[in-house]
Amino acid sequence: AQTVTQSQPEMSVQEAETVTLSCTYDTSENNYYLFWYKQPPSRQMILVIRQEAYKQQNATENRFSVNFQKAAKSFSLKISDSQLGDTAMYFCAFMKPFIIQGAQKLVFGQGTRLTINP
Amino acid sequence: DTGVSQNPRHKITKRGQNVTFRCDPISEHNRLYWYRQTLGQGPEFLTYFQNEAQLEKSRLLSDRFSAERPKGSFSTLEIQRTEQGDSAMYLCASRDPGVAGAPGTGELFFGEGSRLTVL
Repeated sequence: AQTVTQSQPEMSVQEAETVTLSCTYDTSENNYYLFWYKQPPSRQMILVIRQEAYKQQNATENRFSVNFQKAAKSFSLKISDSQLGDTAMYFCAFMKPFIIQGAQKLVFGQGTRLTINP
Repeated sequence: DTGVSQNPRHKITKRGQNVTFRCDPISEHNRLYWYRQTLGQGPEFLTYFQNEAQLEKSRLLSDRFSAERPKGSFSTLEIQRTEQGDSAMYLCASRDPGVAGAPGTGELFFGEGSRLTVL
């Protein structure tokens, strides 16, 4: 079974600083998807960024980028120029590749509570 | 609003009572998921529907839990004889079916959740 581990329960940085959230995972699959989801207080979870394991290039979405190290099974999220609106729980998640009628469910880590201070 | 909708948002009940949660997914999404999230933890998978068929259930889904998606549209999650350990946020998510050879982006769209408190 796949497992996802986020070793930083909480992090706090000042506005405009750069912060990196860590994630490691365990799988025997060669092809899979990795995600970072953001859950603001009392709001629904939304996708921040996605990485396909077969792609060597690290994904980037505006101020968000990942450092994907497949051999090390590491998938960290870097937030540049952090903003107050980035305050949220951040979850790292793993998904196996598509199979017909397969659930292709997300397996989540425990989360990191990130606070951006003014 | 064309996102995933969940009702009720909050439910407080006494131990032993039955509760039912409803999820309305994004209309063109044929895949629907239920997750449970306890305080300070990541969501845990409960069950999965593809159209009206329930194709996978987690071991977390005890006999007191039942989920349905009768016409492949909305879904309900019922908990019978609630226990204090059932207190959690119940999240619903949906995914689009994708196209042949490219079965969806993998992105799940989540609702805001239904928070259950069992006294």
